[in-house]
Amino acid sequence: GNSVTQMEGPVTLSEEAFLTINCTYTATGYPSLFWYVQYPGEGLQLLLKATKADDKGSNKGFEATYRKETTSFHLEKGSVQVSDSAVYFCALSSQGAQKLVFGQGTRLTINP
Amino acid sequence: DTAVSQTPKYLVTQMGNDKSIKCEQNLGHDTMYWYKQDSKKFLKIMFSYNNKELIINETVPNRFSPKSPDKAHLNLHINSLELGDSAVYFCASSRSGTGTWGGSPLHFGNGTRLTVT
Repeated sequence: GNSVTQMEGPVTLSEEAFLTINCTYTATGYPSLFWYVQYPGEGLQLLLKATKADDKGSNKGFEATYRKETTSFHLEKGSVQVSDSAVYFCALSSQGAQKLVFGQGTRLTINP
Repeated sequence: DTAVSQTPKYLVTQMGNDKSIKCEQNLGHDTMYWYKQDSKKFLKIMFSYNNKELIINETVPNRFSPKSPDKAHLNLHINSLELGDSAVYFCASSRSGTGTWGGSPLHFGNGTRLTVT
């Protein structure tokens, strides 16, 4: 079946550090890939997405590239801020599935 | 205006009770979902409705019964609540058609934290 695996958290960084959160997936066909962010006490919000191989999704300084050869969709940001502290979820949707399958989430804490 | 709204935000109840969570979306989407988030933040789909029709029913106990009176509403009723039902329940919606595979994102409500004592 389809699945998403994210790097274990929690991740703690200092402000302005470089961020990578790894995400790999298993899916049939050509899934669409997403990163969602959940701030404390809130629901999930779409951060970025990519719908085909080699697409790069980007938003708010975050980027992720759809790598079919490595079945990965790693999230990166060059310089994190305290306000980026949240839980980040990688997710996929496969053809005809009409649902998202989520990774286990990675809690990110940025210290000033 | 809130796109996906859930009520209540918090729900504390005793084992054996029956409770409902309501969800409404004003985005004009055809597909709505219930997800359960456990204490470790893991998210798992429970149900999905498309135009009031059930299309996804994961392995959820039949104590959980979704109801969709129209495509803008998807409510969740839970009978005989158990301690293990304690979690945060999220409602979400998306555009149908190619839907999420086509890149249509899910729009989530802010969640209902259910605590069963």
